[in-house]
Amino acid sequence: DTGVSQDPRHKITKRGQNVTFRCDPISEHNRLYWYRQTLGQGPEFLTYFQNEAQLEKSRLLSDRFSAERPKGSFSTLEIQRTEQGDSAMYLCASSLAGSVTDTQYFGPGTRLTVL
Amino acid sequence: AQTVTQSQPEMSVQEAETVTLSCTYDTSESNYYLFWYKQPPSRQMILVIRQEAYKQQNATENRFSVNFQKAAKSFSLKISDSQLGDTAMYFCAFMKSYGGSQGNLIFGKGTKLSVKP
Repeated sequence: DTGVSQDPRHKITKRGQNVTFRCDPISEHNRLYWYRQTLGQGPEFLTYFQNEAQLEKSRLLSDRFSAERPKGSFSTLEIQRTEQGDSAMYLCASSLAGSVTDTQYFGPGTRLTVL
Repeated sequence: AQTVTQSQPEMSVQEAETVTLSCTYDTSESNYYLFWYKQPPSRQMILVIRQEAYKQQNATENRFSVNFQKAAKSFSLKISDSQLGDTAMYFCAFMKSYGGSQGNLIFGKGTKLSVKP
């Protein structure tokens, strides 16, 4: 049983560049979440999908951020025109909606550094 | 809006002793879940324990147990027989429940726990 995987694990980019992260959830999970975690803080919710539908977006998700889950499996999170304030750990989690526990299982995260 | 507060930024405990981490939350919801997640250094977040708000009985998972006080909106985590592997950031989290359809997690800022040999 493979867990949630994220790629890349680390990304260094220059301000103004675009970056894209990928998340592969646990195979039978229909919900997928994106969170952002800055140093010394707890994760903050960004957005989530049920299957391919994006059901909720946080106010934190500016117009420069876009997320997709085209076939209800893996998801991508793109940040356009990166800013230094985007530097953070981006976490993905998945769960099975309607299950007894509906627990969110987290991936290892992608650490983004914007220079 | 819901908020989660962890008032202890750092704690330490001797190996084999017991430690309690505090968490309070604020919500007007009646149906919700509470969680404790553990994030070891440079490793991914894993679930420690969860509590359904409608259950009066406190959840227990091996050495981990909670003290859930719904009226006081308090949800503390007790770790018994602390082990070196318990060293980690511990996050308390809240999740609304809409009749079986759950949503996103709201996290506290975390408590850094160090277990000393």
